[in-house]
Amino acid sequence: QVQLQESGPGLVKPSETLSLTCTVSGGSISSYYWSWIRQPPGKGLEWIGYIYYSGSTNYNPSLKSRVTISVDTSKNQFSLKLSSVTAADTAVYYCAREVVTMVRGVTYYYGMDVWGQGTTVTVSS
Amino acid sequence: EIVLTQSPGTLSLSPGERATLSCRASQSVSSSYLAWYQQKPGQAPRLLIYGASSRATGIPDRFSGSGSGTDFTLTISRLEPEDFAVYYCQQYGSSGTFGQGTKVEIK
Repeated sequence: QVQLQESGPGLVKPSETLSLTCTVSGGSISSYYWSWIRQPPGKGLEWIGYIYYSGSTNYNPSLKSRVTISVDTSKNQFSLKLSSVTAADTAVYYCAREVVTMVRGVTYYYGMDVWGQGTTVTVSS
Repeated sequence: EIVLTQSPGTLSLSPGERATLSCRASQSVSSSYLAWYQQKPGQAPRLLIYGASSRATGIPDRFSGSGSGTDFTLTISRLEPEDFAVYYCQQYGSSGTFGQGTKVEIK
């Protein structure tokens, strides 16, 4: 079955750029939406944004100015870049598959059905 | 931007009891776009319900979802020990927001 694995530095300095990659195994990255979600320590979930396999993106308005999500279909990977980080960006970062279909102009949403295990990123000097 | 507000913040119940969790949206949400997730400590969230009322693959039928417009409900008919966790509602849209979560704890 499809599995997701996040990778990247666990420690990032303030004002620098956080970079994470999610590798998709056991299935193709094509025909799905791929999301990033984060969870600060002891807090709830925050959606960061998603990318469709074709490259179109949608970002959380509160993070949009600092976020870039990209996809590499040849490697079955998608990536997150978050610039100008502060301590408030310290969190567990998850990648997830988001299932959305469109039939005769009607959009159907099937949820985030596959998640990575999450990776902890700490912003500190 | 749609805001999802979950209540109560914490629900203290005993195994075998019924749990009713609420998710209220600041404006109308298409039922097709509403999902529920379960998260246990140290684990990634798990999809329970999509389309407001459809159970995801492998989810026991004691979990059910209902609602429309701005009011949605997740019901666990009889709590099993493994059901004590935090539950989040989420809406898909221009900004896919999550509710702040409801913790179901053992009484």
